Amino acid sequence: GQQLNQSPQSMFIQEGEDVSMNCTSSSIFNTWLWYKQDPGEGPVLLIALYKAGELTSNGRLTAQFGITRKDSFLNISASIPSDVGIYFCAALNYGGSQGNLIFGKGTKLSVKP
Amino acid sequence: NAGVTQTPKFQVLKTGQSMTLQCAQDMNHEYMSWYRQDPGMGLRLIHYSVGAGITDQGEVPNGYNVSRSTTEDFPLRLLSAAPSQTSVYFCASSYSGGALEAFFGQGTRLTVV
Repeated sequence: GQQLNQSPQSMFIQEGEDVSMNCTSSSIFNTWLWYKQDPGEGPVLLIALYKAGELTSNGRLTAQFGITRKDSFLNISASIPSDVGIYFCAALNYGGSQGNLIFGKGTKLSVKP
Repeated sequence: NAGVTQTPKFQVLKTGQSMTLQCAQDMNHEYMSWYRQDPGMGLRLIHYSVGAGITDQGEVPNGYNVSRSTTEDFPLRLLSAAPSQTSVYFCASSYSGGALEAFFGQGTRLTVV
């Protein structure tokens, strides 16, 4: 079946650093979504991308829909402590119901001790 | 301003017991779904519904039943709980017609002993 390969699995950040993560697949998708999950909470949508090549920002977050439609990237600039959490990519095809929304396994962001 | 409400937040079951996880949304969303989240596995789709009276299976449906008698409610039933069903369960809803932003509940943490 379709799979999303998200990397890295985890990373440590120091306040002020930029962070990058990505999601790839062997399948083509028409929509990419990025979610963040805080401990004990459900995922919250950060950015939605609907067009190949699209670059969208939400504050310090920037995400891109890969031109091949098989990948997406999320960058966080000048990280702050509240950025810690788990980030998920998700993808969907046209004509699909929500049943066709699939998720990557997540990137866990922690603060460097 | 409730959004997606899940009850209970925590539950411990004995093997073989049955129970229903409740999910309600007040946004008049047509699409609702259930996911389970396990460490290192991301979110996996159990069942979903594209509207009242219509349900379908996701990636991991075995051992679970759903029904959708109203737009607002989408309960998930565990027929005979097994330790492999120990997980965090999330309900999500979204608009129909291509608006793909999914809103998640806060989750139900289920332990089967």
